[in-house]
Amino acid sequence: AQTVTQSQPEMSVQEAETVTLSCTYDTSESDYYLFWYKQPPSRQMILVIRQEAYKQQNATENRFSVNFQKAAKSFSLKISDSQLGDAAMYFCAYRSSYSGGGADGLTFGKGTHLIIQP
Amino acid sequence: NAGVTQTPKFQVLKTGQSMTLQCAQDMNHEYMSWYRQDPGMGLRLIHYSVGAGITDQGEVPNGYNVSRSTTEDFPLRLLSAAPSQTSVYFCASSYSGRGRYYEQYFGPGTRLTVT
Repeated sequence: AQTVTQSQPEMSVQEAETVTLSCTYDTSESDYYLFWYKQPPSRQMILVIRQEAYKQQNATENRFSVNFQKAAKSFSLKISDSQLGDAAMYFCAYRSSYSGGGADGLTFGKGTHLIIQP
Repeated sequence: NAGVTQTPKFQVLKTGQSMTLQCAQDMNHEYMSWYRQDPGMGLRLIHYSVGAGITDQGEVPNGYNVSRSTTEDFPLRLLSAAPSQTSVYFCASSYSGRGRYYEQYFGPGTRLTVT
């Protein structure tokens, strides 16, 4: 079974600065998907960014980018020009490319609580 | 599009009671799933469905039943509620096509308390 580890329970950053959230995962598969989700106090799960393992290019979405290191099984999220609205729990998630046998669905890390200091 | 909707938003049950959490999506997604979120934990998969009439167990299925009679709806039934089922429940759906999988869209969640 795959596991996802987020080693930073909480991170704090000054507004307008850059912060990087860490995520590592364990898998024996070569094709899979990785996601970062944001959960603000409203508890709504919001997709931040998505990466397919077969793509070497790191995904970017505006101020959000990832550093995907497939050999190291690392998938960190960089938030540039941090804003107060970025304050939330951030979850890293893994999805197998296979279907059936319990492979469907996302495996989540325990999350990182991001605090933005004004 | 309303996306993924869940009802109710909040529910309090007594131990031993049963209830159904409702989930619906209007995006014609084949894949739907239920997760639970406990304090200090990420979401954990309870059950999922890859299409109408097809369901399977996830990581934590005990105490829950599901069925999928239509593409749109995927209700989660608690058969005999226990305090250990106190949690926030999320329903999600996603499109899968051409052998690829896409991001899951989540509902707003249901906070369930079992006393």
